[in-house]
Amino acid sequence: AQTVTQSQPEMSVQEAETVTLSCTYDTSESDYYLFWYKQPPSRQMILVIRQEAYKQQNATENRFSVNFQKAAKSFSLKISDSQLGDAAMYFCAPPNRFIMTGTYKYIFGTGTRLKVLA
Amino acid sequence: KAGVTQTPRYLIKTRGQQVTLSCSPISGHRSVSWYQQTPGQGLQFLFEYFSETQRNKGNFPGRFSGRQFSNSRSEMNVSTLELGDSALYLCASTDSVGQTQETQYFGPGTRLLVL
Repeated sequence: AQTVTQSQPEMSVQEAETVTLSCTYDTSESDYYLFWYKQPPSRQMILVIRQEAYKQQNATENRFSVNFQKAAKSFSLKISDSQLGDAAMYFCAPPNRFIMTGTYKYIFGTGTRLKVLA
Repeated sequence: KAGVTQTPRYLIKTRGQQVTLSCSPISGHRSVSWYQQTPGQGLQFLFEYFSETQRNKGNFPGRFSGRQFSNSRSEMNVSTLELGDSALYLCASTDSVGQTQETQYFGPGTRLLVL
């Protein structure tokens, strides 16, 4: 069964500093996408970044970047120049294939709560 | 394009009642998925509808059901509510037409409290 592990329930970072959130997962797929979502106190799930597993290059989206290690099944999120608005729960989400339909659902980790200190 | 919308945003019900939640996907998106989020269980997949048909289903009892209309709007129904059904219910839409892993776009959620 597909699993995803976010081993850091909570992390803190000083404003303007850099923080890395970790995620490991298990999959039998060879080509897949991985996602990081953030959920601020408003509870709206917002896409942060997407990584395509067949791409060697790590995805980058402004201050957000990933360190994707396909062989190790590791997918960490790095936030540079942290801002107060980055405070949220962050979820790692690899997909899981439904055998019967061949389509996908997303398995979400337990989340990492990021606090940004002024 | 307008984002995913969910109504109502908040709901209070009592045990034994039933409830219907609504989700309107992003225009052009034909797939709608529903998730339940609780502090204890995290984010769990309920089901997915595509072109008015339930395409995938998670491990929830039959009290949880849904449907999708021709305009891709989806409703989720929970019958005989239990205290444990108190949760944030999120829907997400994607323009997935098949076996691709498209990005899911989430609505703001409906917070259900069962007393």
